[in-house]
Amino acid sequence: GQQLNQSPQSMFIQEGEDVSMNCTSSSIFNTWLWYKQDPGEGPVLLIALYKAGELTSNGRLTAQFGITRKDSFLNISASIPSDVGIYFCAGQNAGGTSYGKLTFGQGTILTVHP
Amino acid sequence: DGGITQSPKYLFRKEGQNVTLSCEQNLNHDAMYWYRQDPGQGLRLIYYSQIVNDFQKGDIAEGYSVSREKKESFPLTVTSAQKNPTAFYLCASSIRGLSQPQHFGDGTRLSIL
Repeated sequence: GQQLNQSPQSMFIQEGEDVSMNCTSSSIFNTWLWYKQDPGEGPVLLIALYKAGELTSNGRLTAQFGITRKDSFLNISASIPSDVGIYFCAGQNAGGTSYGKLTFGQGTILTVHP
Repeated sequence: DGGITQSPKYLFRKEGQNVTLSCEQNLNHDAMYWYRQDPGQGLRLIYYSQIVNDFQKGDIAEGYSVSREKKESFPLTVTSAQKNPTAFYLCASSIRGLSQPQHFGDGTRLSIL
């Protein structure tokens, strides 16, 4: 089946630093999604990407859909303590038996030191 | 407010017992999903349903069962056949259509007594 490799697995940074994480896939996706999960809660959608090459921002967050459709990255600028959590990438296919299904990366655990 | 409600938040199961996790949504979404999350791993799909009275197995369906009798409800039963049920279970829903993002509930943590 499809696999997503998300890196890094964890990051320890100082408040104010920029953060970058990425996901690579062995196959093509039609949509890339980035979620954030706080402890004991469900993931919350941060950014959705729908076209190869697309670059989208949401406040201090910026994400890009790779040209090959096999990768995506997420950048967080000027990190703050509330950015702490687990960030997941997810690739989504459309059509056929894989309709609507998401394949998730393993997550990046972000710790921000004040 | 519109959203996805999972209950209970915490659930304990005895050996050999079936338990049912509730998921209700008032977003008018056609598609609903169940995922399992284990420490250090991404979410893995158990079952999904694109429309009422229809559902499909995901990647790890063994030991689980679901029903979809109403659009807003998609309960998951963890049966005694699931030998390692301790995990965080997440329900999601989405509009049915191409590339529609999924939105998640706050999860149920299941533990074995």
